[in-house]
Amino acid sequence: DGGITQSPKYLFRKEGQNVTLSCEQNLNHDAMYWYRQDPGQGLRLIYYSQIVNDFQKGDIAEGYSVSREKKESFPLTVTSAQKNPTAFYLCASSTRQGDNEQFFGPGTRLTVL
Amino acid sequence: SQELEQSPQSLIVQEGKNLTINCTSSKTLYGLYWYKQKYGEGLIFLMMLQKGGEEKSHEKITAKLDEKKQQSSLHITASQPSHAGIYLCGASFHNTGKLIFGQGTTLQVKP
Repeated sequence: DGGITQSPKYLFRKEGQNVTLSCEQNLNHDAMYWYRQDPGQGLRLIYYSQIVNDFQKGDIAEGYSVSREKKESFPLTVTSAQKNPTAFYLCASSTRQGDNEQFFGPGTRLTVL
Repeated sequence: SQELEQSPQSLIVQEGKNLTINCTSSKTLYGLYWYKQKYGEGLIFLMMLQKGGEEKSHEKITAKLDEKKQQSSLHITASQPSHAGIYLCGASFHNTGKLIFGQGTTLQVKP
């Protein structure tokens, strides 16, 4: 079955630690995205990638980093520099920019203790 | 985002009633996307609108984009408990693939 997987579903981290969230897709999509969702604020774009080995900052990139070494994978690292990391993180992909819908993964809920 | 406002923020309706959710942009839209989300889960794509005046339907859900391409409405006819969830509109303003999302509308349907 084609789709997007995110792991883990729930993640707990101590303050000051970096943590990496996984996102994998087997839809053969070129573009991939990372969003953060907080209660009452909708989704905000963290980073996006249109092609392998290339990515751009979104609206709230500070404290996050990404890599795109393979077409299928777009991991997100939440660093200790992110001041309020507790949130629901969603990964998405699309066939190409601009005119096609984005397909979303099931999300990872990160809690900083 | 202030670029995209959804209303209402939350809605409680009796099963069988009709309802409308609005999504208003501060500038002309390139594309408008409607998604549904169950709490704690990913987003499910509903419909995409691009042309001014366009209207699309899927089962009992109809979405419209006004002629000026600055407002969209999502209408649910004869609501059912299965319609409950969070509805989000997402907008692209250029052909870039970047989407801006509204803050979402939480819908409860009372049996």
